[in-house]
Amino acid sequence: GQQLNQSPQSMFIQEGEDVSMNCTSSSIFNTWLWYKQDPGEGPVLLIALYKAGELTSNGRLTAQFGTTRKDSFLNISASIPSDVGIYFCAGYGANSKLTFGKGITLSVRP
Amino acid sequence: NAGVTQTPKFQVLKTGQSMTLQCAQDMNHEYMSWYRQDPGMGLRLIHYSVGAGITDQGEVPNGYNVSRSTTEDFPLRLLSAAPSQTSVYFCASSYSSGQGRAAFFGQGTRLTVV
Repeated sequence: GQQLNQSPQSMFIQEGEDVSMNCTSSSIFNTWLWYKQDPGEGPVLLIALYKAGELTSNGRLTAQFGTTRKDSFLNISASIPSDVGIYFCAGYGANSKLTFGKGITLSVRP
Repeated sequence: NAGVTQTPKFQVLKTGQSMTLQCAQDMNHEYMSWYRQDPGMGLRLIHYSVGAGITDQGEVPNGYNVSRSTTEDFPLRLLSAAPSQTSVYFCASSYSSGQGRAAFFGQGTRLTVV
């Protein structure tokens, strides 16, 4: 079945630093999505990617749809304390199921 | 614009009880899905629907039933609750194709089975 791999499980950075996360799969995905989840809340969409090679920004966030269609990257620049949370990648594969990675918990030290 | 609405927000059940988690969306999305979230496991797909009258199983369907009689509603039924079903449940919806496939989530239902 479709699986998305995110690692490490946790990341710790200093306020102001940039951070990169990636998401990989052994299967091809035709849509990649990145979400952030705050405690006690549902996941909130950050960036959606629909074409291989697509690079999209949302403020300090930039994400790319890998050219092999088997990976995606999320970059956060100049991190701030409110960037703390769990970051999930997700994707639609050939079977139309929306599959999620296990998430990366980001901590930002002031 | 309400988006995706889940009820209830919190629920405690006794083992063997049944209940229905409600999910409604007002965005005319064809695609709706249910996930459960457990610590360290991410979001695991329970059931999904690509349109009214059409449902299919996800990764962890056992113990759950769904139906989709209207575009707006996608209830999740627990027929006989078990402690292993203690989790946070999220409903999501999206368009089924094209540029609108980004899924939007409800606020979740926190279920405890004792």
